[in-house]
Order: sequence, then C-alpha cells, then structure tokens
Amino acid sequence: QLQLQESGPGLVKPSETLSLTCTVSGGSISSSSYYWGWIRQPPEKGLEWIGSINYSGSTYYNPSLKSRVTISVDTSKNQFSLKLRSVTAADTAVYHCARHVPIPAAYFDPWGQGTLVTVSS
Amino acid sequence: QSALTQPVSVSGSPGQSITISCTGTSSDVGGYNYVSWYQQHPGKAPKLMIYDVTKRPSGVSNRFSGSKSGNTASLTISGLQAEDEADYYCTSYTNKISYVFGSGTKVTVL
Repeated sequence: QLQLQESGPGLVKPSETLSLTCTVSGGSISSSSYYWGWIRQPPEKGLEWIGSINYSGSTYYNPSLKSRVTISVDTSKNQFSLKLRSVTAADTAVYHCARHVPIPAAYFDPWGQGTLVTVSS
Repeated sequence: QSALTQPVSVSGSPGQSITISCTGTSSDVGGYNYVSWYQQHPGKAPKLMIYDVTKRPSGVSNRFSGSKSGNTASLTISGLQAEDEADYYCTSYTNKISYVFGSGTKVTVL
C-alpha cells in the first residue's frame, strides 16, 4: 500500500525559505505513470495546488506561486521536495504531498497526512 | 487563478440525498472532463471520492456519484449517513496547465 509522509521544520521566519520533503513508501517514485505533487491548506481555508514533478524531474507549477517555488526529486531516496522562497504569514498552512496521474487528468491519490508550517518571527 | 465556487455548507437528514455544486469556467470545469472530488474529515488527509467527473475509485461507496453540465460539476450523496459529515472539495484541470481546487463545502448530517 503506497504511503506518503511529509517532513520538515514546523516554523519558518518571514522572508526565509520553507523546505519540506515527502517520502514515498510501499511503491517506487520512479514509476513513469505518475506525478508527485504538493498541495497546501491554510488554517480554516480551502486547498491550493502548489506544483508537481515526475521521476525525471519534469515539473509544472501553480502560476500564482511559480516565481517562488522549486520542486525537486531524489529517486535514490524515493523522495521529492518543496522549496518556497520569501515566505510570509500567508504561507502558513498544512502542506500535503500526494500522487497523481499526469496532466490533464486531475486526481490526487493517495495523500500524505500533512504537516503544519507556521511562518512567524 | 480563482478557486472554483462551491456552496459553503449543505445539510440533510439521514437517508436523504444532497448535491454539492462546483462552478468554474470554460477554462477549467467546462473545458475538460477532468474533475475530481475529495472528502476530508477534521484533521485527516483528503480522500478521493470521484475522478474524471463520474468515475468512482475502488472502495468508495456507490452512494457517491458525480456529474457535469456546462461549467458546473456536481457531487451527489444518496442515502446520507452520519459518516458522510465532512468537508468536500472539487478540483479541475485548467487551460493554464495547472489544477484549481474548489472553495470547499461543509456537509452536515442533521
């Protein structure tokens, strides 16, 4: 059974870079059939797709976040990572990672439990 | 890109049917048959309930069904049960080579 687990600092200072890693277990991140994505959810608010990557490093990003986001993959560790630069309080959210099929199909399954990242000095 | 529009809340009594709408534009919901729906209980990860507008993943109850007309997709829950009380989100592919989620709907079982 495929499982995803997010990890990283729970507190980031304003203007710094948020860095998170998603570890995939129970399956290979190198499958050509899937992409791996990041989705966030601010407290008491809805979901927002951040971006996605496949095993070869092909990426696509939410246009509204593209200038601040980098997603990378490490197939040797079965992990993919998120970096979000110049964070503000508005970036405080639960960050989920998830698997999805390639564009244009639009479904994410399964999801990681999520990790709360708070932006505060 | 703006979030897809969903009603803030929908409620129903056990056994009833309810429908949640998800309204976008011709650039997302109306332009593609790539709409999915997620159920999220408090503090839990979202769970895929419907994909490709009408398809149901293995293990999801057949009480959940999806449809689409024009720029609006819908999720119907029939035979409402207490365990269906949760938040529900839609998502769609967009012509900007990206995904957009709905604003979310809280379902309450009376």
